[in-house]
Amino acid sequence: QVQLKESGPGLLKPSETLSLTCTVSGGSIDSFFYSWIRQSPGKGLEWLGYIFYSGNTKYNPSLKSRVTISGDPPKKQFSLTLTSVSAADTAVYFCARHRADCRGVCYVAPYFDTWGPGSLVTVSS
Amino acid sequence: QSALTQPASVSGAPGQSITFSCTGTGSDIGAYSLVSWFQQHPGSPPRLLISEVTKRPSGVSPRFSASKSGNTASLTISGLQADDEADYYCCSYSESDSLYVFGTGTKVTVL
Repeated sequence: QVQLKESGPGLLKPSETLSLTCTVSGGSIDSFFYSWIRQSPGKGLEWLGYIFYSGNTKYNPSLKSRVTISGDPPKKQFSLTLTSVSAADTAVYFCARHRADCRGVCYVAPYFDTWGPGSLVTVSS
Repeated sequence: QSALTQPASVSGAPGQSITFSCTGTGSDIGAYSLVSWFQQHPGSPPRLLISEVTKRPSGVSPRFSASKSGNTASLTISGLQADDEADYYCCSYSESDSLYVFGTGTKVTVL
């Protein structure tokens, strides 16, 4: 049974850089995408970006180049970096696994089938 | 990219069936059969209930079913149980740069 777990600092000051790591255990990382998704307190879900196990990435442009996702396949880890944080970045950050949907044309589908428990990050001065 | 629109809350008695919607646009739900649904209990991560608009992953109860018509996807919970009380989110692939758009969420209450 594949499991994901997020880790990283829980408290940041405004303008600092958020760094979180997602560690995959219990299975292979091959052929899957790994997204970072956040949920602000009492609010909905926002997709931040994904990385393919081989290293290709795609980001949500709403974050205006503040986000970077990188991977360390031998360690089965994927990392999120978000620069210049503000109170608006306070949220629970999840990593989630998903796959491509290839029915004629291939799309990276939003079928997030495995999630980490989440990591609460609070930005406060 | 605006969030998909879901009713804020839906309620039903145990044993009843409820259906609620997820409305998008011709750039997301209307354009692709790439819709998923998630259930989230307080303090837990979301759990995948439905992929490919209508398909249940292994382990998901057949009491959960889904459909799509035009720009709107729908989730039906049959034989409502106490444990179904949770928040439910839809998600669609989008041709916008944000790629995935989530719904606003629906809180299901079992009376």
